[in-house]
Amino acid sequence: AQSVSQHNHHVILSEAASLELGCNYSYGGTVNLFWYVQYPGQHLQLLLKYFSGDPLVKGIKGFEAEFIKSKFSFNLRKPSVQWSDTAEYFCAVSTDSWGKFQFGAGTQVVVTP
Amino acid sequence: EADIYQTPRYLVIGTGKKITLECSQTMGHDKMYWYQQDPGMELHLIHYSYGVNSTEKGDLSSESTVSRIRTEHFPLTLESARPSHTSQYLCASSDLSGTGGREQYFGPGTRLTVT
Repeated sequence: AQSVSQHNHHVILSEAASLELGCNYSYGGTVNLFWYVQYPGQHLQLLLKYFSGDPLVKGIKGFEAEFIKSKFSFNLRKPSVQWSDTAEYFCAVSTDSWGKFQFGAGTQVVVTP
Repeated sequence: EADIYQTPRYLVIGTGKKITLECSQTMGHDKMYWYQQDPGMELHLIHYSYGVNSTEKGDLSSESTVSRIRTEHFPLTLESARPSHTSQYLCASSDLSGTGGREQYFGPGTRLTVT
């Protein structure tokens, strides 16, 4: 069965620090990859997505992610976080033409002032 | 801005009651999904639909049922709620056109507590 693994469940860091969240998936075929964010009290929102082409994708709010096919990874990065980046981050993978997603367990990120 | 609505946002109900969680979207999307999410866990797909009169069970077995009589509406029903059904339920939709991999748009969720 396919699975999506997010390496850290909780991350605490200070403002201006760099953030990298790991995401690995187990599927050997073509994948579509997503990072979603859920701010406190809000619904899930799309941060960025990868379908094809340049493996380095840029999303909203200064986030970017790199697809490394050989490592089955899609890690999320932000060079300098802000307090407002405190949220839960979910990696998701879609492997079929019907668009069903497999989600990771999420990473809770807390940014301290 | 995605327009997908869920009601109620919070529901506390006793064991044995029948409940329906509402989900509506105004984007004309063909695909709709229901997920179950427990704290600290991944979202699990419990039902999905490709269009009107199409419903399928997801990866996680669920005692709930769904219907899709109209494109914009995808309600989820529990005939007899139990404490094990306590969870957050998220509804999502996506566009069927084009190749797979379109993003899903999520509603705010319904947090269900069965006492």
